[in-house]
Amino acid sequence: EADIYQTPRYLVIGTGKKITLECSQTMGHDKMYWYQQDPGMELHLIHYSYGVNSTEKGDLSSESTVSRIRTEHFPLTLESARPSHTSQYLCASSGDRGHGTEAFFGQGTRLTVV
Amino acid sequence: AQRVTQPEKLLSVFKGAPVELKCNYSYSGSPELFWYVQYSRQRLQLLLRHISRESIKGFTADLNKGETSFHLKKPFAQEEDSAMYYCALRSARQLTFGSGTQLTVLP
Repeated sequence: EADIYQTPRYLVIGTGKKITLECSQTMGHDKMYWYQQDPGMELHLIHYSYGVNSTEKGDLSSESTVSRIRTEHFPLTLESARPSHTSQYLCASSGDRGHGTEAFFGQGTRLTVV
Repeated sequence: AQRVTQPEKLLSVFKGAPVELKCNYSYSGSPELFWYVQYSRQRLQLLLRHISRESIKGFTADLNKGETSFHLKKPFAQEEDSAMYYCALRSARQLTFGSGTQLTVLP
């Protein structure tokens, strides 16, 4: 079934550790996004990609990095996690078939850095 | 730069009452606007899009380019409508969300 998957769902990790949040979609979408969302707060776009080897930073400055080597895969990496990185991270993808194309979201990864 | 503003962080109405969730945007081009909803413990999902002019779960939203608004309306709120609602604007480059409105429908 076409879907978008994020792993892990929950992650508690110590300060200074390197982490990678995984995001994969089986919908054949070209565009993918990473958002950061604190509980009950707005979604902040931190990275997006138009396609393979194309990545851009979003509106919210983030110390994370992303890569897009394959269409279906858009991992986010933090080289050295800090408590300020504690948040929920949402991955999304969308097609590009003209106007009105919706974005599909993953379940999110809730990251806690202790 | 594109921006989406949802002025109400929290909104409570009684069951059966009308509800309106406000959304204003700023964008220099021709906007694509959406409403997304997040029910408790579920993932964010599309509710409706302006291009379709559709009514979903009794909700409608009309794009007013003069007022740069895309307010979400429902004439008779139901308890199951309680959720977080996000207005979103899609350009060629980005998908930008507002800060969200938590709607609570009281019995």
